[in-house]
Amino acid sequence: AQSVTQLDSQVPVFEEAPVELRCNYSSSVSVYLFWYVQYPNQGLQLLLKYLSGSTLVKGINGFEAEFNKSQTSFHLRKPSVHISDTAEYFCALVMIKAAGNKLTFGGGTRVLVKP
Amino acid sequence: DGGITQSPKYLFRKEGQNVTLSCEQNLNHDAMYWYRQDPGQGLRLIYYSQIVNDFQKGDIAEGYSVSREKKESFPLTVTSAQKNPTAFYLCASSPRTTDFWGYTFGSGTRLTVV
Repeated sequence: AQSVTQLDSQVPVFEEAPVELRCNYSSSVSVYLFWYVQYPNQGLQLLLKYLSGSTLVKGINGFEAEFNKSQTSFHLRKPSVHISDTAEYFCALVMIKAAGNKLTFGGGTRVLVKP
Repeated sequence: DGGITQSPKYLFRKEGQNVTLSCEQNLNHDAMYWYRQDPGQGLRLIYYSQIVNDFQKGDIAEGYSVSREKKESFPLTVTSAQKNPTAFYLCASSPRTTDFWGYTFGSGTRLTVV
């Protein structure tokens, strides 16, 4: 079975400070990894994805993530946050070549950016 | 513009009633998915469909039913057998290709049992 663990349920951060959201995963097969952002009462928007190649992935809105296979991690970072980054962030995986392309999500990390 | 439309945005249901949530996409995607979101639990898969007239149970299918009669539509019925239906429901779709790149999500339906 596969699983995704987001180590922090809430992360308060001051505006213009850096932020890191931690994500660890477990899977018996190779995976693709994703980060999504959700604003209140909305659907999820794709921030970035790791499919193959360079382990440092750049996404939208200045976010980046690093895939670490040995530590089974995919942490999300932003060097300087804005008030508009206040949202919930979800890490997710899909098992490569598994039927159905079913995404498995972590429990989410709520980011609150304070002025 | 292409996308996924979920309706209604808010839905109230009395205990013991069935209710159907709508999900329509015009992205020409083959695969569609229903997820349930509860605070602190992330998203959990209810049902998914890879092609018309075919669908599979996800992790929490009990108390739910779906149909896939058209490529564009994947409605979810929350039945009276679902013991705790109050939640935020999200529909998603993706192309059915080997180069998987993720889902496109709808904006969700918030269901409240009153």
